Amino acid sequence: QQPVQSPQAVILREGEDAVINCSSSKALYSVHWYRQKHGEAPVFLMILLKGGEQKGHEKISASFNEKKQQSSLYLTASQLSYSGTYFCGTESNTGKLIFGQGTTLQVKP
Amino acid sequence: ETGVTQTPRHLVMGMTNKKSLKCEQHLGHNAMYWYKQSAKKPLELMFVYSLEERVENNSVPSRFSPECPNSSHLFLHLHTLQPEDSALYLCASSQDWSRLAGGYNEQFFGPGTRLTVL
Repeated sequence: QQPVQSPQAVILREGEDAVINCSSSKALYSVHWYRQKHGEAPVFLMILLKGGEQKGHEKISASFNEKKQQSSLYLTASQLSYSGTYFCGTESNTGKLIFGQGTTLQVKP
Repeated sequence: ETGVTQTPRHLVMGMTNKKSLKCEQHLGHNAMYWYKQSAKKPLELMFVYSLEERVENNSVPSRFSPECPNSSHLFLHLHTLQPEDSALYLCASSQDWSRLAGGYNEQFFGPGTRLTVL
């Protein structure tokens, strides 16, 4: 079952914050976050394992609520370089890694 | 060469052709992956190889045939494709893969092969 990401698209000004959500109908073992810039390969951001932990990567952090089967990606004080499409991938007890449809983020000056 | 490389970068083929996509990783990783990325569709994991053994085949049609001759190289052999198979095919590698929960690690992606089937 494909995870659902929201919003589908977001436009920010530099310095603004954003939250991208990823929800699954299945119990999850892990959530993976990647960013893909236009015409480039996806780049790894972070993996969250079940346990409700929050991780950080520069000004990008994420949380994983195992009970709600949700993960959120937090982008604070956004920079132009944050523009791209963000994908979450979820791993459930089926052992499959399935990605969401992506959230397109555009940061404007 | 560093990271993950893919050749060719672009490929146009007819439905009756046979072609192969090549992926090479220079990271010393033990796991390699093939993904399909179509417009307006999510990233789809096709195959997973761990230590040269195919460990995942996510309901991919038999017209796609992967091959992993060693831990550094991965091929995707294509034959009698359909126009709907046109997409960006991405290769990735990771240090390891495990059947245990949380077995997927950080993946490093190649630039992809843009495939057009006429």
